[in-house]
Amino acid sequence: SQQGEEDPQALSIQEGENATMNCSYKTSINNLQWYRQNSGRGLVHLILIRSNEREKHSGRLRVTLDTSKKSSSLLITASRAADTASYFCATDDGGRRALTFGSGTRLQVQP
Amino acid sequence: SQTIHQWPATLVQPVGSPLSLECTVEGTSNPNLYWYRQAAGRGLQLLFYSVGIGQISSEVPQNLSASRPQDRQFILSSKKLLLSDSGFYLCAWDRDTADEKLFFGSGTQLSVL
Repeated sequence: SQQGEEDPQALSIQEGENATMNCSYKTSINNLQWYRQNSGRGLVHLILIRSNEREKHSGRLRVTLDTSKKSSSLLITASRAADTASYFCATDDGGRRALTFGSGTRLQVQP
Repeated sequence: SQTIHQWPATLVQPVGSPLSLECTVEGTSNPNLYWYRQAAGRGLQLLFYSVGIGQISSEVPQNLSASRPQDRQFILSSKKLLLSDSGFYLCAWDRDTADEKLFFGSGTQLSVL
């Protein structure tokens, strides 16, 4: 079953704009991770935020986590055409051995 | 450095035929290994994971099976493919420690016709 659900399902923006994607989950977590997938390829890890953290930055990426609302957001600032991809959140609930992935947000950055 | 190899990249198989997808990891020992399936435009569904040789956990009842004959080798199999087995299959690994990230292979696009 899907633990994380991303919103929106699809997002189209112009180069230079910011892109915000949201993820909601259902159970308690140890950490939440974001991954990127180019079309027809494997996923690549972007960033991990632990349950006791509220915000984390990595380059143009900013992730927030609100455990009281069971939600996270991924912000990509100053987007580029090369950011076009699908973005997935994944949760580690600490009990299960494997991450549970959401359904993803398809981001299209127009040049 | 660690690398993960998954093959083939694409596969077209008739209904009722067998399947064998292979995944190998290099540059690490005793990894956790995973098979995920992704339907078109959807998220990832965990199929199997393994924490050691011969140790396989199945997440969903289905037409598929997995084996781990060697520490860094993970095989996904089926004796008779169904149309519903079509999808994008991804192998992944991580270390057996807290807060670990997954490293994915490049995937196999399987079409069952």
